[in-house]
Amino acid sequence: KAGVTQTPRYLIKTRGQQVTLSCSPISGHRSVSWYQQTPGQGLQFLFEYFSETQRNKGNFPGRFSGRQFSNSRSEMNVSTLELGDSALYLCASSPGQGDVDEQFFGPGTRLTVL
Amino acid sequence: GQNIDQPTEMTATEGAIVQINCTYQTSGFNGLFWYQQHAGEAPTFLSYNVLDGLEEKGRFSSFLSRSKGYSYLLLKELQMKDSASYLCAGYDSNYQLIWGAGTKLIIKP
Repeated sequence: KAGVTQTPRYLIKTRGQQVTLSCSPISGHRSVSWYQQTPGQGLQFLFEYFSETQRNKGNFPGRFSGRQFSNSRSEMNVSTLELGDSALYLCASSPGQGDVDEQFFGPGTRLTVL
Repeated sequence: GQNIDQPTEMTATEGAIVQINCTYQTSGFNGLFWYQQHAGEAPTFLSYNVLDGLEEKGRFSSFLSRSKGYSYLLLKELQMKDSASYLCAGYDSNYQLIWGAGTKLIIKP
């Protein structure tokens, strides 16, 4: 099976712009979670989507949003970018059927905001 | 509150044994994961513990004590390729994963 893929791998934007990141989960996986990773903070949970519905949400401002399509692919959008949004954005997929699932991570999108 | 703590960095010698600790405080508890992340790569699953005790998988073992809110990852016969960050993550009562900041393990020859 192909793994989780994320596009683009690298992105450079300027403050005030918006960005959309894409994640394709492992075939058959219906849950997609998004994380922000920075050197000092570790992995911070953004949100989780399951069957096109947001199932869980972390403590991020409304500038961060996401959606999931019927084929389980997911996108994350960040509007009005700030310097502090520079980070590695990881998505992880899992079957999503049970309460506890091993998460399979994609390689991440490294976003730099100038 | 919900919090997961682990040391920021550890150093060990090739061939030796190292124990990476993780303590958690969550409103509920539904299991704890360990992941390995090499620099510039995605995290990969190592283990999941939901019951007390030690689970062994080759050179890696993971231990959980729910009464103490404590887990550790034990790595034996260390190899240079074990140099990585090790992430501890626990499920809270809402089945949301709470992640520690990760422990960077440096292996010296």
